[in-house]
Amino acid sequence: SAVISQKPSRDICQRGTSLTIQCQVDSQVTMMFWYRQQPGQSLTLIATANQGSEATYESGFVIDKFPISRPNLTFSTLTVSNMSPEDSSIYLCSVGGTSGREQFFGPGTRLTVL
Amino acid sequence: GENVEQHPSTLSVQEGDSAVIKCTYSDSASNYFPWYKQELGKRPQLIIDIRSNVGEKKDQRIAVTLNKTAKHFSLHITETQPEDSAVYFCAASIGYSSASKIIFGSGTRLSIRP
Repeated sequence: SAVISQKPSRDICQRGTSLTIQCQVDSQVTMMFWYRQQPGQSLTLIATANQGSEATYESGFVIDKFPISRPNLTFSTLTVSNMSPEDSSIYLCSVGGTSGREQFFGPGTRLTVL
Repeated sequence: GENVEQHPSTLSVQEGDSAVIKCTYSDSASNYFPWYKQELGKRPQLIIDIRSNVGEKKDQRIAVTLNKTAKHFSLHITETQPEDSAVYFCAASIGYSSASKIIFGSGTRLSIRP
């Protein structure tokens, strides 16, 4: 499986500010996915990022709040904009495997908004 | 869109006994069903998956069954051990590659009693 890293691993931010999370993969992948996991909850898909095109957002998520970049086949960023305490969550990126349908997750970014 | 329901939300079993987690999905076009295990503070890890053209799949102490007609699938863990304690997520996906998005169930917190 691909080796996936995320930066930062955790951060504490003030409300009204923005944070950009980076996801780096050690191999080229077509799609990268961004998820949010609120405390004690399941994983909710935020958007799908394809290199060279606009990200596709799920219902309830908008580009102005969660802008995504996908400049190449190994890297993506997710920005959480104008943060509020409700944005406190773990944000994870995932990528597909090379041998089938499986997807693998990065280690996550734990965000706390005060 | 696809909706995945999972139950129970919590499950406690005696070490050595079996555990069963059940999920239903709404979209009959779903054709891939992975299961993830998430230990405290860690990323979700894929433990087993099944495709819609297969009714059952086993991997040592873990098995998954799929009933396409009823649109439900289950995870079976036999001879449970303390290291099986974790949160388990079922998921469903439509498509034909790892570029297809995955929708997760709400999770089951499994505790193994010594």
